[in-house]
Amino acid sequence: EAQVTQNPRYLITVTGKKLTVTCSQNMNHEYMSWYRQDPGLGLRQIYYSMNVEVTDKGDVPEGYKVSRKEKRNFPLILESPSPNQTSLYFCASRPEINRGASYEQYFGPGTRLTVT
Amino acid sequence: DQQVKQNSPSLSVQEGRISILNCDYTNSMFDYFLWYKKYPAEGPTFLISISSIKDKNEDGRFTVFLNKSAKHLSLHIVPSQPGDSAVYFCAASGDNNDMRFGAGTRLTVKP
Repeated sequence: EAQVTQNPRYLITVTGKKLTVTCSQNMNHEYMSWYRQDPGLGLRQIYYSMNVEVTDKGDVPEGYKVSRKEKRNFPLILESPSPNQTSLYFCASRPEINRGASYEQYFGPGTRLTVT
Repeated sequence: DQQVKQNSPSLSVQEGRISILNCDYTNSMFDYFLWYKKYPAEGPTFLISISSIKDKNEDGRFTVFLNKSAKHLSLHIVPSQPGDSAVYFCAASGDNNDMRFGAGTRLTVKP
């Protein structure tokens, strides 16, 4: 089954304790991205990756790191989490954009993170 | 700076009637627009899209209309069904691979 998986689905942690949220897709997609969803703000892009070893900042990259060592995996790293990073996080992927191709992204189920 | 705006946080309609969800954008460089649907505890799923070279795209009960001069798009669901109850996100994209999302509209379809 074609899917994007995220782990963990729920996480409660304390300020300053490094954590990693994993994301994996089995569709051989070139493009992967991370979003956070907050009430009244919708989905905001944190980082994206056009392909292996290529990553770029989105709208809200502060406090986050990513890596893309393999095509299927795109982990999100919070080196020193703070309470303002409490949010619902989504990983997404799609094929490389070609003229006429869809921009449709496939989303993972989400990770609800609470930082106390 | 919200480049994509959904000004109605919620909408309630009766089963069988039309649901109209609206979305406005500010960036004239956007040339592709999408609607996603999200149920609780799940990720958003793609619903329908439209390119800026069109003004309408239809898929079953779902139709998206694009008014480029007004920088406005809308999603029509006819007839609405209780299973359509979800949060709907409008999204827009341009050449730079950026995708911007609106804040979402929670649709409730009452039986």
